[in-house]
Amino acid sequence: GQNIDQPTEMTATEGAIVQINCTYQTSGFNGLFWYQQHAGEAPTFLSYNVLDGLEEKGRFSSFLSRSKGYSYLLLKELQMKDSASYLCAVRGNAGNNRKLIWGLGTSLAVNP
Amino acid sequence: SAVISQKPSRDICQRGTSLTIQCQVDSQVTMMFWYRQQPGQSLTLIATANQGSEATYESGFVIDKFPISRPNLTFSTLTVSNMSPEDSSIYLCSVKSRGGSYEQYFGPGTRLTVT
Repeated sequence: GQNIDQPTEMTATEGAIVQINCTYQTSGFNGLFWYQQHAGEAPTFLSYNVLDGLEEKGRFSSFLSRSKGYSYLLLKELQMKDSASYLCAVRGNAGNNRKLIWGLGTSLAVNP
Repeated sequence: SAVISQKPSRDICQRGTSLTIQCQVDSQVTMMFWYRQQPGQSLTLIATANQGSEATYESGFVIDKFPISRPNLTFSTLTVSNMSPEDSSIYLCSVKSRGGSYEQYFGPGTRLTVT
């Protein structure tokens, strides 16, 4: 079957660094996405990894290891506005499996 | 990125009635996706709507319950038919970007409550 695992909740302090992990088992692999979703709002795209390694975009970085079926999202210099749910999603390989498979999301609370 | 609007933004409906949700995109797109997000849950794909052909439904979703129209490349509707309280959810329209990673963009969602 296809499965994506993320921690349900995390808490961190303003100004700190937090790492949100995502492990996946899917039928084929054609990219991994991270989305941010604030309460009551639609998800917004954060990052995309298709090759192994680290992708950096400002305060956010995302890492992928395809051999381990593992990714993480790293948030630096946390701000209160980073309190949100972070969704990991994997795209399958071909045909009908090219749809996104979504994790349940990690709810991050940033405290002052 | 695409700009997506949805109508209505929210509604409260009675059991047994139907609601049609509209999705408008500011550019032409081949595929539009309809998702459901129930409280505290992640996104579940209902169907993929292609212009000029019937929508492709995911396991657990059927056309009689969730009929979809796709009259042109910028517009789609999703109808939630014969509603029950279990249909209370946020319904999201989404499209893929045209280049690069083909990430998906989402509309603001329609928050449906069925009483």
